[in-house]
Amino acid sequence: QLQLQESGSGLVKPSQTLSLTCAVSGGSISSGGYSWSWIRQPPGKGLEWIGYIYHSGSTYYNPSLKSRVTISVDRSKNQFSLKLSSVTAADTAVYYCARVYITGVFDYWGQGTLVTVSS
Amino acid sequence: VIWMTQSPSLLSASTGDRVTISCRMSQGISSYLAWYQQKPGKAPELLIYAASTLQSGVPSRFSGSGSGTDFTLTISCLQSEDFATYYCQQYYSFPWTFGQGTKVEIK
Repeated sequence: QLQLQESGSGLVKPSQTLSLTCAVSGGSISSGGYSWSWIRQPPGKGLEWIGYIYHSGSTYYNPSLKSRVTISVDRSKNQFSLKLSSVTAADTAVYYCARVYITGVFDYWGQGTLVTVSS
Repeated sequence: VIWMTQSPSLLSASTGDRVTISCRMSQGISSYLAWYQQKPGKAPELLIYAASTLQSGVPSRFSGSGSGTDFTLTISCLQSEDFATYYCQQYYSFPWTFGQGTKVEIK
C-alpha cells in the first residue's frame, strides 16, 4: 500500500522560505506514469493545487504561486520536496502531498502538515 | 483559469436520503472531473474520476454524471460515514482547480 508522509517546519517567519518534504513508501517515486503534487488548504477553507513534478523531474506550477515555488525530487531517498519563498500569513495552511494518477487525479494523499506563518 | 461553482455550499440531510451535489464549470472540460470526500482533520479521498468512474474501494452508492460544464455527484442512500465535505476538481487544463466544497451535515 502506497503511503506518503509530509515533514518539515510547522512555523515559518514572514518573508522566509517554507520547506517541506514528502516521503513515499510502499512504491517507487520513479514508477512510470505518475507525477507528484503539493496541495494546500488554509484553515477552514478550500483546496489549492500548488504544482507537480514528474518522475523525470519536469515541473508545472500554479501561475498564482509560480514565482515563489520550487518542487524537486530526490529519487535516492524516494521523496520529493516543496519550497515556497517570501511567505506571508496568507500562506498559512495545511500542506498535503499527493500522487497524481492519470493526469490530474490525486489518488493517494499524505495526512497533511500544518504550516503557520507568524513572527 | 477554469472557475468552478459548487452547490449547495451546505446540505442538511438524514441517513437514508438521496443527495445530489452540483459542480458547474466556467467553460467545457469534457469529462476531466474528479470528486473527493474530506472528513474533519483528514486528507481528501478520491471518490470518482473521469466524471463517472468509481475509484476502487468506493461504495457503489456514490455515482457521478455529467460532461462539458455541468456535473453531479449523487449519494443514493446516505450513510452515517458519508457526513463530510465534498469537492469537485477539474483537470482539463492548468492550473488544476477545486470547487469551494459542499458540506453534508446531519439534519
